[in-house]
Amino acid sequence: AQSVAQPEDQVNVAEGNPLTVKCTYSVSGNPYLFWYVQYPNRGLQFLLKYITGDNLVKGSYGFEAEFNKSQTSFHLKKPSALVSDSALYFCAVRDEYGGSQGNLIFGKGTKLSVKP
Amino acid sequence: EPEVTQTPSHQVTQMGQEVILRCVPISNHLYFYWYRQILGQKVEFLVSFYNNEISEKSEIFDDQFSVERPDGSNFTLKIRSTKLEDSAMYFCASSADRGLNQPQHFGDGTRLSIL
Repeated sequence: AQSVAQPEDQVNVAEGNPLTVKCTYSVSGNPYLFWYVQYPNRGLQFLLKYITGDNLVKGSYGFEAEFNKSQTSFHLKKPSALVSDSALYFCAVRDEYGGSQGNLIFGKGTKLSVKP
Repeated sequence: EPEVTQTPSHQVTQMGQEVILRCVPISNHLYFYWYRQILGQKVEFLVSFYNNEISEKSEIFDDQFSVERPDGSNFTLKIRSTKLEDSAMYFCASSADRGLNQPQHFGDGTRLSIL
C-alpha cells in the first residue's frame, strides 16, 4: 500500500539558516512525489514535484527537494529560511502501480517555524 | 493565476442536517477531487470525478456523500445526514488531466462544524 511518512511534527529554524523537512514514502512502482505548503486558513499550494530525471528539483519560493531512491526519501530543503516560510508542509505521493485514478496520498504534515 | 474557489468558507450545521459544499474548479480543468482534513490530522482523499461520473472513491466516501457537477462551472459535495465526525476542513482540487505527474490545485477549503 502507498504511504508517506513525515517523521517530524515540527521543525524550528532561525531565519537565514538552511532548513530541511523530511519525507519518506512507500510505493509499489515508480513514485510521483509532491510537496505542498499550507498557510493558516488557506488551502494547499503546490511547491514542487519529482517525476523523473534529476534527483534535485527546484520549486517555488526558493525551495528544492532531493529525491533519493535507495532511501525512499524526498526531503524538502531551502538554503536560507525566511520568517514568511513558517507554515505547514505536506509531502504527497502517487504510485504508478497503485491503481488509483490520481488521488494524492499525503503525509501528516510538518509545521515549520522560522524565528527572526 | 487561476484559482479554485470554495464557498462557504465556514459552515455550521446541526447534526442530521444536509449540507452542500460548493467549489468552482479552474476553468479548463477536467478532473476534480474532494479531500478532507480533520483537525490535527492528515489530508485524506474522498473522491475523484471526471466526465460527470465518479472515478474513484475512498472508504470515507459512503452513501451519505455524493458529488455533482450541476452546471459547467460548479462542483459540489453533499453530505445527506451529517454526523459529528464529519466536522473537518473540506478541500476541493482540480487538475488539467489525471496524469500522475500533474499537480492538483486546491481551494482554500470549507470549514464544516457539526453541532
